[in-house]
Amino acid sequence: GENVEQHPSTLSVQEGDSAVIKCTYSDSASNYFPWYKQELGKRPQLIIDIRSNVGEKKDQRIAVTLNKTAKHFSLHITETQPEDSAVYFCAARGIYNQGGKLIFGQGTELSVKP
Amino acid sequence: NAGVTQTPKFQVLKTGQSMTLQCAQDMNHEYMSWYRQDPGMGLRLIHYSVGAGITDQGEVPNGYNVSRSTTEDFPLRLLSAAPSQTSVYFCASSYGGRPSGNTIYFGEGSWLTVV
Repeated sequence: GENVEQHPSTLSVQEGDSAVIKCTYSDSASNYFPWYKQELGKRPQLIIDIRSNVGEKKDQRIAVTLNKTAKHFSLHITETQPEDSAVYFCAARGIYNQGGKLIFGQGTELSVKP
Repeated sequence: NAGVTQTPKFQVLKTGQSMTLQCAQDMNHEYMSWYRQDPGMGLRLIHYSVGAGITDQGEVPNGYNVSRSTTEDFPLRLLSAAPSQTSVYFCASSYGGRPSGNTIYFGEGSWLTVV
């Protein structure tokens, strides 16, 4: 089955710097890669996603890149702000008929210092 | 729309007790799933369903049972609670296999402690 590895487990940056979180996946059939942000005590919230037919997607300060050949994808946050502090999870999912079978990475705790 | 609704939000169980975590969605989503979240381990898939009457095991199904008799509801049953099942449980749902419907929506979570 699918396995997703996420690095680093913790990341501390100064406000205004960029943050990069990387994930690798094992199943070459995976075709959907979302990123979730989870604040303490809250549910995961989707912040951006990318499908396998796209190499990069950007939404304001957040971007995701996908390298299907190497089976890895990354989250890039530019001009970080204290409110970006949270735990970020990457995930991967296979073909559509696997439904809600989303496999998550272990999470990255991002701390943005003012 | 209420989205994905989970109950209870907090529960304390004694070892060996059974209970059911309820999950309901009002978005007519075909797909529903249960995850557990433990510190440092991310979210791990317990069971999932692609439609009424159809369920399958995820990464960590042992000790849990599910059924999907309606599109709206997907309860998770703990048959004989163990301390290792102390965790935060999230229910999630999404549309079926259409490209625009891949977004997965999570419930608010259920905090379960087994003593």
